[in-house]
Amino acid sequence: AQSVAQPEDQVNVAEGNPLTVKCTYSVSGNPYLFWYVQYPNRGLQFLLKYITGDNLVKGSYGFEAEFNKSQTSFHLKKPSALVSDSALYFCAVRVFTGGGNKLTFGTGTQLKVEL
Amino acid sequence: DAGVIQSPRHEVTEMGQEVTLRCKPISGHNSLFWYRQTMMRGLELLIYFNNNVPIDDSGMPEDRFSAKMPNASFSTLKIQPSEPRDSAVYFCASSFGQLLNYGYTFGSGTRLTVV
Repeated sequence: AQSVAQPEDQVNVAEGNPLTVKCTYSVSGNPYLFWYVQYPNRGLQFLLKYITGDNLVKGSYGFEAEFNKSQTSFHLKKPSALVSDSALYFCAVRVFTGGGNKLTFGTGTQLKVEL
Repeated sequence: DAGVIQSPRHEVTEMGQEVTLRCKPISGHNSLFWYRQTMMRGLELLIYFNNNVPIDDSGMPEDRFSAKMPNASFSTLKIQPSEPRDSAVYFCASSFGQLLNYGYTFGSGTRLTVV
């Protein structure tokens, strides 16, 4: 089955430290990969995507993600975390089903950045 | 652009009542997706439309759920009769193009509570 996995329910980081939120994928063909962030009582917001090109993708709010084809991973990173980065992060992959494309989301990783 | 607009933001209803959730996608977007989010099940795709036509409704949990998209600027998700286990946050998302090169834009969601 085509899917993404986020192995960590929660990640805790001290402010100023680098952060990594993990994502692995399983798809047939070339993957379209996305990261979204959800703040409390809000909808999901687009952070960045990988479709083709450079394996290191830069996105909003200083986030970046590295596409690794051999490890089938697309980890989200930020060099220096902020308390305001605390939120729920979702990895997603495009899958083709039933005559159309849709995004399949991971289970989400709660990021907590502490002072 | 005002983004994807969902109404109401909050809905509290009694078991057995009919509930209608509304979504206005971004103008020019031709794909629309309805998701449900709960703590237990995460983000679940209920149904999606391309060019106002339902493509995949395999995620609709029961016959009590129905969705329509009468035109490019409006969609509804109806639950009749509602049950307490339908309590969740329901998100609508839209996208431009069926390849999903740009991912989705999500609305702010409707928090449904069935008592």
